[in-house]
Amino acid sequence: GENVEQHPSTLSVQEGDSAVIKCTYSDSASNYFPWYKQELGKRPQLIIDIRSNVGEKKDQRIAVTLNKTAKHFSLHITETQPEDSAVYFCAADSSKFYFGSGTKLNVKP
Amino acid sequence: GAGVSQSPRYKVAKRGQDVALRCDPISGHVSLFWYQQALGQGPEFLTYFQNEAQLDKSGLPSDRFFAERPEGSVSTLKIQRTQQEDSAVYLCASSLSPHPPDTQYFGPGTRLTVL
Repeated sequence: GENVEQHPSTLSVQEGDSAVIKCTYSDSASNYFPWYKQELGKRPQLIIDIRSNVGEKKDQRIAVTLNKTAKHFSLHITETQPEDSAVYFCAADSSKFYFGSGTKLNVKP
Repeated sequence: GAGVSQSPRYKVAKRGQDVALRCDPISGHVSLFWYQQALGQGPEFLTYFQNEAQLDKSGLPSDRFFAERPEGSVSTLKIQRTQQEDSAVYLCASSLSPHPPDTQYFGPGTRLTVL
């Protein structure tokens, strides 16, 4: 089955700085890669996703890049704000979602 | 419109008790998924329905876990003879398309604590 690894497990940045979270996957059949944000005690919320026929996707301060050859994808958040503080999960889909173990992002004011 | 809802939000069970967790997906969503999320971990797939058909139950940890979606809408996850290792948040998600992958919308989860 698919194996998704996510790094780092924790990330602390100063407000206004950029944050990058990286994920690798093992199954070359995976073709959909969503990113979810989960605040403490709340439901995971989709923030951005990318399909395997696209290399990069951007939505305001958030971008995702995908390297199919290397089997890795990354989340980039620019101009971070304190409200970006949360746990972020990547996932890869090859018939079902496989989630990474999460990155706890702390944005310091 | 209304999102995915789950009930109860919190459940405390004594070891050995049976529990039933309910999921109301977004109206019209064909696909429904159950996940188990242990503390500090990502969600782990349990089972998947397309309408009333359970197409994948490979993630169910044991035969104590059973899920159903008899009319293709509301789903129930049942855990028999609960054990302490069953303590986790159980998340339900639904998606519009009958053909994954598609965007999954999550419910708030049910936090199960087994004493």
